[in-house]
Amino acid sequence: AQTVTQSQPEMSVQEAETVTLSCTYDTSESNYYLFWYKQPPSRQMILVIRQEAYKQQNATENRFSVNFQKAAKSFSLKISDSQLGDTAMYFCAFRITTSGSRLTFGEGTQLTVNP
Amino acid sequence: DAGVIQSPRHEVTEMGQEVTLRCKPISGHNSLFWYRQTMMRGLELLIYFNNNVPIDDSGMPEDRFSAKMPNASFSTLKIQPSEPRDSAVYFCASSHRRINTEAFFGQGTRLTVV
Repeated sequence: AQTVTQSQPEMSVQEAETVTLSCTYDTSESNYYLFWYKQPPSRQMILVIRQEAYKQQNATENRFSVNFQKAAKSFSLKISDSQLGDTAMYFCAFRITTSGSRLTFGEGTQLTVNP
Repeated sequence: DAGVIQSPRHEVTEMGQEVTLRCKPISGHNSLFWYRQTMMRGLELLIYFNNNVPIDDSGMPEDRFSAKMPNASFSTLKIQPSEPRDSAVYFCASSHRRINTEAFFGQGTRLTVV
């Protein structure tokens, strides 16, 4: 079974600064996807970024980037130039590449961006 | 595409009543997931379907919960009888089985059982 762990229940950052959210996972599989989702107060779940395990290059999406360390089973999210609208719950998620597999989430990290 | 559509957005019901939550996945998606979110337990996968067939229902808490997917464009999650501890936000999500990457979520149903 796969597990995803987010060890930081809450974090805060000042506007315009950089913050890193941590995620570790456990699996015996070699082919999988990793995701970060954002859930703002509206409760809508929004995909932030995706990483394929077979790719060595870290994914980036504008101000969002990941540090994917496959051997360490670590997948952290870096948010640069934090904005007030980044305030949300952030979830790390895992899915093996077998067609039709389950999507497993971590516990979430509540990020607050302060003005 | 309108995205994953869930109804109702909010539901308040009395203990013991039957509750039915509904989900319309994105057209062309053939994996569908039901999640429950609470403060205490976070996001829990209740059940998921591939091509309308339930694959893993090990997350369904007890026999009071049941889920169906009669066709590719509709799924229900039923709780009968409901209890106050069932109060949570229930999310439906869908993904394209062949592409098999991220899942797209509906806006959730906030259920309150009093």
